[in-house]
Amino acid sequence: DADVTQTPRNRITKTGKRIMLECSQTKGHDRMYWYRQDPGLGLRLIYYSFDVKDINKGEISDGYSVSRQAQAKFSLSLESAIPNQTAFYFCATSEGEGIYGYTFGSGTRLTVV
Amino acid sequence: QKEVEQNSGPLSVPEGAIASLNCTYSDRGSQSFFWYRQYSGKSPELIMFIYSNGDKEDGRFTAQLNKASQYVSLLIRDSQPSDSATYLCAVDRGSTLGRLYFGRGTQLTVWP
Repeated sequence: DADVTQTPRNRITKTGKRIMLECSQTKGHDRMYWYRQDPGLGLRLIYYSFDVKDINKGEISDGYSVSRQAQAKFSLSLESAIPNQTAFYFCATSEGEGIYGYTFGSGTRLTVV
Repeated sequence: QKEVEQNSGPLSVPEGAIASLNCTYSDRGSQSFFWYRQYSGKSPELIMFIYSNGDKEDGRFTAQLNKASQYVSLLIRDSQPSDSATYLCAVDRGSTLGRLYFGRGTQLTVWP
């Protein structure tokens, strides 16, 4: 099993629908992140959490919300999906500062029509 | 100025050549630097990290760091078609508790 699991892998949804993307990890890391990736724009941070009680907005949090249900689970919601939220979404975890870097989940390809 | 900038691609090299990927960063206090490889439709995969000035080698990959110039690079020796991917540079600024800042990536194509 993968260390960082994202569900679903692919999703097509309609404008205005609420959708939740889920991330779970078995690495025991406290830190979790949600990024979106668009062609030519790289990875942009949506939300991040350093522990269950700590949630922080990233650069592009408008239109998104998150829930940290447990150390191992961090969910991203699109309250009312719009077409420009069509992108790849990646969850990542890290052990801490310095030399650790991130471990990424396999990603969710989201299309809003 | 963007936090992390990478040389614009795409970069195309023949098989067996050295591919050189470059990255500059704006925060002089940055402490750790990472290179991720991302195949099309896949998630980024960590291939190298470096935190001391100089070179760090791992197989065909060499990371180079020059903190005075705020510059980090990745060299891929004996490039193979399987190295064709997008390479992302990421920086830990040291003041942001482990959060990484990513460049937009450089797409590398290695042709046989």
